[in-house]
Amino acid sequence: GAVVSQHPSRVICKSGTSVKIECRSLDFQATTMFWYRQFPKQSLMLMATSNEGSKATYEQGVEKDKFLINHASLTLSTLTVTSAHPEDSSFYICSARTEGDQPQHFGDGTRLSIL
Amino acid sequence: KNQVEQSPQSLIILEGKNCTLQCNYTVSPFSNLRWYKQDTGRGPVSLTIMTFSENTKSNGRYTATLDADTKQSSLHITASQLSDSASYICVVSELTGTASKLTFGTGTRLQVTL
Repeated sequence: GAVVSQHPSRVICKSGTSVKIECRSLDFQATTMFWYRQFPKQSLMLMATSNEGSKATYEQGVEKDKFLINHASLTLSTLTVTSAHPEDSSFYICSARTEGDQPQHFGDGTRLSIL
Repeated sequence: KNQVEQSPQSLIILEGKNCTLQCNYTVSPFSNLRWYKQDTGRGPVSLTIMTFSENTKSNGRYTATLDADTKQSSLHITASQLSDSASYICVVSELTGTASKLTFGTGTRLQVTL
C-alpha cells in the first residue's frame, strides 16, 4: 500500500520551456504533498508543501512564480517549472501523506534536464 | 538550526560483510527518526522508523538503533548484498503543532562489491 506515482520519470527539453510534473497517490488520499529537489550527491531539499485545495507554502529561496504548484485533488499535485533554464536541471521528488504525523511516501522522482 | 549529520559520506565494502552507518541530529522537539534507502535515480524507500522510546528496530538484514539522549542513531547492515548499494538517508521528524517537519541528512553512499 501507500504508493506514490510520479510522471514523467525523465524530461529533456530546451531552455525556456515550461515543464509539468505530476504526483499521484494511488491508493490513499493525500491531504498534504511535498515537492523536493535533489542535486547530485546532495540530500533532498524541501521546495514547497501543498495542502489540497489551498495555496502551497514555499520554502525560503524558492520562487513561487517559477515553481507553480497545484494540489487540486486529494490524489494529485502538479509542479510546473516555468521558463526552465539549465540551472533548474535537477532531480525532483514528490511525497504524500494523509495527515499530521503520518509518514511521507515518496515518488520515484523526475530527472529534469534543461539544454 | 535543526541538523542531521551522517557518516561516513561514502563506504565501499565487500559482499557478505557487515557495516554500520551513523547519524547524529540536533532536531528538537523530536518526533521520530527514519532510515531510508535511495537507489540511484529513484525515490527514497523507508527501511525503519523509530520513536523516542524505541532503542532498536530491525527490518530483515537492517537493524537501526536510537539513543535519544545523545541524539544518535545507527543503521547496521548484516551480510551485505550487491543490491544494498545505494544511498542511505537518515531523516528526523520534528513535531510542530499537528504536523511534522522533516530534516534530511546528506546520506551515506554505500557500494557493495564482489
